[in-house]
Amino acid sequence: DIQMTQSPSSLSASVGDRVTITCRASQSISKYLNWYQQKPGKAPKLLIYAASSLQSGVPSKFSGSGSGTDFTLTISSLQPEDFATYYCQQSYSTPPTFGQGTKLEIK
Amino acid sequence: QVQLVQSGAEVKKPGASVKVSCKASGYTFTSYYMHWVRQAPGQGLEWMGIINPSSGTTSYAQKFQGRVTMTRDTSTSTVYMELSSLRSEDTAVYYCARVRDTIMANDAFDIWGQGTMVTVSS
Repeated sequence: DIQMTQSPSSLSASVGDRVTITCRASQSISKYLNWYQQKPGKAPKLLIYAASSLQSGVPSKFSGSGSGTDFTLTISSLQPEDFATYYCQQSYSTPPTFGQGTKLEIK
Repeated sequence: QVQLVQSGAEVKKPGASVKVSCKASGYTFTSYYMHWVRQAPGQGLEWMGIINPSSGTTSYAQKFQGRVTMTRDTSTSTVYMELSSLRSEDTAVYYCARVRDTIMANDAFDIWGQGTMVTVSS
């Protein structure tokens, strides 16, 4: 199975900040990398697919980049509704696997 | 609108089985693979398996082989996930999730059910 490792595991930031979350795959996954946002008590929400494609309806403040083994999710101009847990997921091979999550908290 | 609606919370005793349903609407049910993902309290996301709603073909995570069965009913656009021999470690929220692309079995999950809490306790 492909292991996905996110860093950091938690992150404190202020409203208006720009933050970056990193996801590393244990082997090359080309661009088969997706990002999700999850708020407490809710299902995950797809933000970015194929490493850098913005899911319909998701604000352009979210952006993704990377290929191979290293990927990033960047969120610009943080707003209160952006504080949540973010997960990466590889869809290169079965089983699909998730990172352990990055909890973004208000400073 | 496109949505997945899951069945309600369940409380089961160790050794019992649970069957969770996921009813699809707003799209052609047989055109998109469906996955099941679970999340234990305070933990991350864990993939359980996939079903092709058109053919009924399934593939399960090795961890759940022999304990999980995924089925579908095309007449009601519903997929089911049954987990047997429950233990306390199976306490989790169980989600169904649809793939984004009609031709891809393994893809991003663009539509999720609301989740079903399964509690295993004696």
